[in-house]
Amino acid sequence: AQTVTQSQPEMSVQEAETVTLSCTYDTSENNYYLFWYKQPPSRQMILVIRQEAYKQQNATENRFSVNFQKAAKSFSLKISDSQLGDTAMYFCAFMKPYSGNTGKLIFGQGTTLQVKP
Amino acid sequence: KAGVTQTPRYLIKTRGQQVTLSCSPISGHRSVSWYQQTPGQGLQFLFEYFSETQRNKGNFPGRFSGRQFSNSRSEMNVSTLELGDSALYLCASSFVGQPRYGYTFGSGTRLTVV
Repeated sequence: AQTVTQSQPEMSVQEAETVTLSCTYDTSENNYYLFWYKQPPSRQMILVIRQEAYKQQNATENRFSVNFQKAAKSFSLKISDSQLGDTAMYFCAFMKPYSGNTGKLIFGQGTTLQVKP
Repeated sequence: KAGVTQTPRYLIKTRGQQVTLSCSPISGHRSVSWYQQTPGQGLQFLFEYFSETQRNKGNFPGRFSGRQFSNSRSEMNVSTLELGDSALYLCASSFVGQPRYGYTFGSGTRLTVV
């Protein structure tokens, strides 16, 4: 069974600085997808960034980028130029597509990030 | 484009009762998944529906059930509620055949069982 581990329950960063959130996963699969989701106090889970395992290139979305190390089964999220609106809980998630093009997300326990002014 | 809509936002029920939660996916999305979020267990997959058929199911007791209608709207039902069922229930939808692009979540229904 696949598992996802986020070893940092809480982190804080000063506004405008850079922070990295860690995530490791365990799987025997070769084809899968990885995601980072953000959950602010409004409760809605928001997709931040995604990575396809067969792609070597690390994904980037504006201030958000990942460091995907497939052999090490590591998928960290870097937030540059942190903003107050980045304060939220961040979840790392793994998905192995099932037949029929459906899938289920397996989430880590989450990292609470506080951006300080 | 409207997002994933979940109703109601909050719900308080008594032990032993049953409850039905509703989820309307983004227009054009035909796959709907449900997740339970609790402080102790985190986010856990309940089930996924596509074309009115349950495609995947998580490790939850039979008291948890769901269905999907022809317009892709989905409902989740929990019977004989227990205190431990208190949680945030999240619904997510995706395009058919494109789960690799991730799922779009609703704001959830906060269920409190007293």
